[in-house]
Amino acid sequence: DAGVIQSPRHEVTEMGQEVTLRCKPISGHNSLFWYRQTMMRGLELLIYFNNNVPIDDSGMPEDRFSAKMPNASFSTLKIQPSEPRDSAVYFCASRLTSPALQFFGPGTRLTVL
Amino acid sequence: AQKVTQAQTEISVVEKEDVTLDCVYETRDTTYYLFWYKQPPSGELVFLIRRNSFDEQNEISGRYSWNFQKSTSSFNFTITASQVVDSAVYFCALSEDYGGATNKLIFGTGTLLAVQP
Repeated sequence: DAGVIQSPRHEVTEMGQEVTLRCKPISGHNSLFWYRQTMMRGLELLIYFNNNVPIDDSGMPEDRFSAKMPNASFSTLKIQPSEPRDSAVYFCASRLTSPALQFFGPGTRLTVL
Repeated sequence: AQKVTQAQTEISVVEKEDVTLDCVYETRDTTYYLFWYKQPPSGELVFLIRRNSFDEQNEISGRYSWNFQKSTSSFNFTITASQVVDSAVYFCALSEDYGGATNKLIFGTGTLLAVQP
């Protein structure tokens, strides 16, 4: 079975550009999470969806960040405009409602120059 | 508030040594889950174990073992006879379970384990 799929795996862009990260959760999973990993802040939750509905977006750093989940098999995380401090690895994870076991994708390494 | 503390930032051992990675957590809830994830140099997050708050039995899986003690709010991870392939960053994480409500993972800062040949 395919795990969580993320694309692209690496993204290099220039400050001010729009960046879109994509995630395909494991089929049948009904919750999806976006995490960000940086040296300064470690792994932190950005936003969480349950049955395609955003439940907790308190971790989204600012209005430049937005996330959508138009259907059960696809989610996007968009940064517009991007800034150098957004450089990080962004992980997507999915799980069934219960038990609380999240499976992570391989991550997208974003570099904003 | 939930919090996970991994006081050991880096540990270096020689192959075949045993090593214990410490994890201390804080939560006000009685129902929660604890996890360990491994992040090898390739960067992915690999699930190792999940333990719920009602199960304090220690667990052994091959060279890996986990010691869960609610009395000290600790969930320590031991690798026996370490190998170079064990070199990675190990994260301890906490998730509160509200029967399907918010289950975000709260991660510790990670422990970098370097196993020298």
